[in-house]
Amino acid sequence: QKEVEQDPGPLSVPEGAIVSLNCTYSNSAFQYFMWYRQYSRKGPELLMYTYSSGNKEDGRFTAQVDKSSKYISLFIRDSQPSDSATYLCAMRGGGSYIPTFGRGTSLIVHP
Amino acid sequence: SQTIHQWPATLVQPVGSPLSLECTVEGTSNPNLYWYRQAAGRGLQLLFYSVGIGQISSEVPQNLSASRPQDRQFILSSKKLLLSDSGFYLCAWSAGGGGQAQGYTFGSGTRLTVV
Repeated sequence: QKEVEQDPGPLSVPEGAIVSLNCTYSNSAFQYFMWYRQYSRKGPELLMYTYSSGNKEDGRFTAQVDKSSKYISLFIRDSQPSDSATYLCAMRGGGSYIPTFGRGTSLIVHP
Repeated sequence: SQTIHQWPATLVQPVGSPLSLECTVEGTSNPNLYWYRQAAGRGLQLLFYSVGIGQISSEVPQNLSASRPQDRQFILSSKKLLLSDSGFYLCAWSAGGGGQAQGYTFGSGTRLTVV
């Protein structure tokens, strides 16, 4: 079992839909959770950063962490074609500053 | 503000040729620096990381090497490229010295094709 599991997709949704992207993990020491967005042929950019359990909202994006279930989510409201990208989850903890990345989920928002 | 520069953006090299990719960070000191490779459909693979000048940790044994000649400069090298070295190479930095509050900041990447 990989430390971080993420469905590669692609996930195709119509413009305006609510998107849910998810990752599961096995290492209970993870405390810091991140979501990155990567456009084609570009480097990933940090989208959301959360510590421990709970929700964090930033505009149309909400990050949710459920440590008891070892499950994190990223919700995108009112999705736009410009949200089409690959979304990578990442997490770290247990004294390590090296995050473990998921393989990324490809999201396509069609007009 | 901090910025990270990575070049070149694309590179086509013949098998057996040498490689040198450079990454520099501005606006911060004593950063942790990282080299990743991203192969299609395979996610990010950590190759090397460095917590200080001259300090390099290797995650994957292969024909690549890394060096950190200055605080904010990180170089990825190879003496002889293999076809399997093709991929998208990403440099990244994070706050060093125990400042772990932020995630990584990635460079724009180098797409390497070995022919």
